Amino acid sequence: NAGVMQNPRHLVRRRGQEARLRCSPMKGHSHVYWYRQLPEEGLKFMVYLQKENIIDESGMPKERFSAEFPKEGPSILRIQQVVRGDSAAYFCASSSQQGEGTEAFFGQGTRLTVV
Amino acid sequence: KQEVTQIPAALSVPEGENLVLNCSFTDSAIYNLQWFRQDPGKGLTSLLLIQSSQREQTSGRLNASLDKSSGRSTLYIAASQPGDSATYLCAGPNDYKLSFGAGTTVTVRA
Repeated sequence: NAGVMQNPRHLVRRRGQEARLRCSPMKGHSHVYWYRQLPEEGLKFMVYLQKENIIDESGMPKERFSAEFPKEGPSILRIQQVVRGDSAAYFCASSSQQGEGTEAFFGQGTRLTVV
Repeated sequence: KQEVTQIPAALSVPEGENLVLNCSFTDSAIYNLQWFRQDPGKGLTSLLLIQSSQREQTSGRLNASLDKSSGRSTLYIAASQPGDSATYLCAGPNDYKLSFGAGTTVTVRA
């Protein structure tokens, strides 16, 4: 049973370009969470999605960032018109159910560098 | 809202010494607490998940305790090795999402 798969592992974008980060949850998991780790900072929650629904996007910047989890295919975190401050590690986690204390499993992350 | 704190931010010990890593949380009605390891430039490796009904959880040289009343969890690593050098993160649930501490970066000197 493969774990949470994220790709690409490393992504370099020039300022103003778009970045697309993909996350395939563990088999049987329908809940996906995205977290961001800025340099020298802890992981911060960004968004929680279920299939075709955004449940909580309270941690997402209001502009340029969007996320989706379609019925088929991976979850996508999309960053438009990237800026240097978007350089960070982006982690995806998945779980089999919702609820406080449900164990989430993390992917290896995508390291975005904006040049 | 659950807030998680880890002190110290960094720790350096000689090989063979036991490691004690501390994690504090604000909401004592915590369902569970999870410890992770992160190597530089790498992802998160889950080490131990300790449920609120448990007081301890063990895996090999690792032992985690959870004291809800004091809002503290401790990760013990016995007989440390240079390969234990990494950043250790603890995280507690905040509704369905996790609140992470900033981590303790451990260096084990050979």
